[in-house]
Amino acid sequence: QQPVQSPQAVILREGEDAVINCSSSKALYSVHWYRQKHGEAPVFLMILLKGGEQKGHDKISASFNEKKQQSSLYLTASQLSYSGTYFCGTESATNKLIFGTGTLLAVQP
Amino acid sequence: NAGVTQTPKFRILKIGQSMTLQCTQDMNHNYMYWYRQDPGMGLKLIYYSVGAGITDKGEVPNGYNVSRSTTEDFPLRLELAAPSQTSVYFCAGSRTSGGAGANVLTFGAGSRLTVL
Repeated sequence: QQPVQSPQAVILREGEDAVINCSSSKALYSVHWYRQKHGEAPVFLMILLKGGEQKGHDKISASFNEKKQQSSLYLTASQLSYSGTYFCGTESATNKLIFGTGTLLAVQP
Repeated sequence: NAGVTQTPKFRILKIGQSMTLQCTQDMNHNYMYWYRQDPGMGLKLIYYSVGAGITDKGEVPNGYNVSRSTTEDFPLRLELAAPSQTSVYFCAGSRTSGGAGANVLTFGAGSRLTVL
């Protein structure tokens, strides 16, 4: 079953923060986050494995609560380059990576 | 090092025609995937493969077939094309040591298919 993301869309000014949530009804081994620019292929951001870890690079970080089967992506001090559609991908026991519904992020000057 | 290469980039088909989307990788990926993305929508898994000779259905397999005779190639076949198959198709691959939980995907550039 497809993970659900919220919000569906968010508009920010440069420098503002955003949180994107991803929720699954299945037990998860890992959660992935990808960003897709318009007309391009998705690009990997980070992966979080079972263990409730939190990861990040630069001003983008994420957390994974395996008990709640939820993950959140945190974007701080957003930049114009952060604009795009963000997808979470969830992996259960079968090696299938199922992507979420997507969140459109628009960062304005 | 080409990565994950898809051909063709664009194709227009008539209803009822068949075609094969090609995907090849030179990154020693053992796992390969086919996704489709309808306009403004998310990615839906069509088929995937965990190694040569092994394939399995994803979320939306109807109307498609795949094969994996070599590690490098993972073609997607559309039989009897229908307007509902108009979409952008992405092939992806990953290298994993086995077991769920570490599949970082590298995507191809996509193939845009229109069925009229």
